[in-house]
Amino acid sequence: DAGITQSPRHKVTETGTPVTLRCHQTENHRYMYWYRQDPGHGLRLIHYSYGVKDTDKGEVSDGYSVSRSKTEDFLLTLESATSSQTSVYFCAIRTGDYNSPLHFGNGTRLTVT
Amino acid sequence: SQQGEEDPQALSIQEGENATMNCSYKTSINNLQWYRQNSGRGLVHLILIRSNEREKHSGRLRVTLDTSKKSSSLLITASRAADTASYFCATAVNAGNMLTFGGGTRLMVKP
Repeated sequence: DAGITQSPRHKVTETGTPVTLRCHQTENHRYMYWYRQDPGHGLRLIHYSYGVKDTDKGEVSDGYSVSRSKTEDFLLTLESATSSQTSVYFCAIRTGDYNSPLHFGNGTRLTVT
Repeated sequence: SQQGEEDPQALSIQEGENATMNCSYKTSINNLQWYRQNSGRGLVHLILIRSNEREKHSGRLRVTLDTSKKSSSLLITASRAADTASYFCATAVNAGNMLTFGGGTRLMVKP
């Protein structure tokens, strides 16, 4: 798993509540990514980071914010969770240049009721 | 819309047979990657092929890339029940900071 830990692994929350998911890496790789996976849509990029305090939007960033105050941690926040954000969220890191693969965590299953 | 689209969406074969999955994409790429996902787990990288490469092998895996047709194929030879998983292609564009995934092919290999 290239030293990637996602927490929590499962979460159930109510509509309108804030939720923060954490991705932690044990190494100091520059690039970190948040994806969501839904049936029929594959994986879609939410946000990514290319360094401390350096982040950019992905394909489906609306309703999500991210922060990276330390190299090893990349946080994904749902400011006010909606049922459409029920999904499996994956964090990934890139260990080299743009011709390097991604290494994924085992995901967080989020249910918004 | 997805950059990569896999075909077929689902594939069921017998152990020992070959499995072929195809991926089509829309824009020019730096590289194309294939990943595997077992149920309930994260994706695992299988193979990366750069835009200037046409074919690559890794064990029982063979990947081809046709940039003129904007398509790639993944061949798994002599399939095993343990190959049962979902397989995704992903493309890197714009210096590769963003990797865009297709919807995946669900492969079932029957023993």
